[in-house]
Amino acid sequence: EAQVTQNPRYLITVTGKKLTVTCSQNMNHEYMSWYRQDPGLGLRQIYYSMNVEVTDKGDVPEGYKVSRKEKRNFPLILESPSPNQTSLYFCASSFTRNGELFFGEGSRLTVL
Amino acid sequence: SQQGEEDPQALSIQEGENATMNCSYKTSINNLQWYRQNSGRGLVHLILIRSNEREKHSGRLRVTLDTSKKSSSLLITASRAADTASYFCATDSRLFSNDYKLSFGAGTTVTVRA
Repeated sequence: EAQVTQNPRYLITVTGKKLTVTCSQNMNHEYMSWYRQDPGLGLRQIYYSMNVEVTDKGDVPEGYKVSRKEKRNFPLILESPSPNQTSLYFCASSFTRNGELFFGEGSRLTVL
Repeated sequence: SQQGEEDPQALSIQEGENATMNCSYKTSINNLQWYRQNSGRGLVHLILIRSNEREKHSGRLRVTLDTSKKSSSLLITASRAADTASYFCATDSRLFSNDYKLSFGAGTTVTVRA
């Protein structure tokens, strides 16, 4: 089954404790992207990757890091989480940057 | 930055009625997409309409695109309780020759009452 898998789905952490949200897709998509969703703000892009070893900033990259060492994986790293990073995070993938996006089920992160 | 903006923000209709929501955008696009999100879940792609298309259908969904007005509409006919969700438009804007940026609006929340 074609899917994008994120883990963890739910996480409560404390300020400053490094965490990684994993994302994996099994559709051989070149394009992958991370979004955060906050009430009234829609989806805002954090980082994206056009292919292996190619990543770039989206609209709200501050406080986040990503890597793309393999085509299928695109982890999101919060080196020192802060409460303003409390949000619902989505990973998505696509064959092309402006094509149909396939979304993961989301990771709800709370930073205390 | 939000390229597309949906209107209305929220919509409540009776089962069996039609639901219409609109999306307006600012700059020229190559395509416009509509997505559905059930509460707290991942977004699901509904339909993609290209800039040279004016109307597209998929089951009970009908999407129109008016590039002169920079707007699109999504019509859901004969709504069902299962259509209760948030609906988002996503528009691409060309940054460079082969580089596009896909931007989402804040969404329209549709509630279908039984």
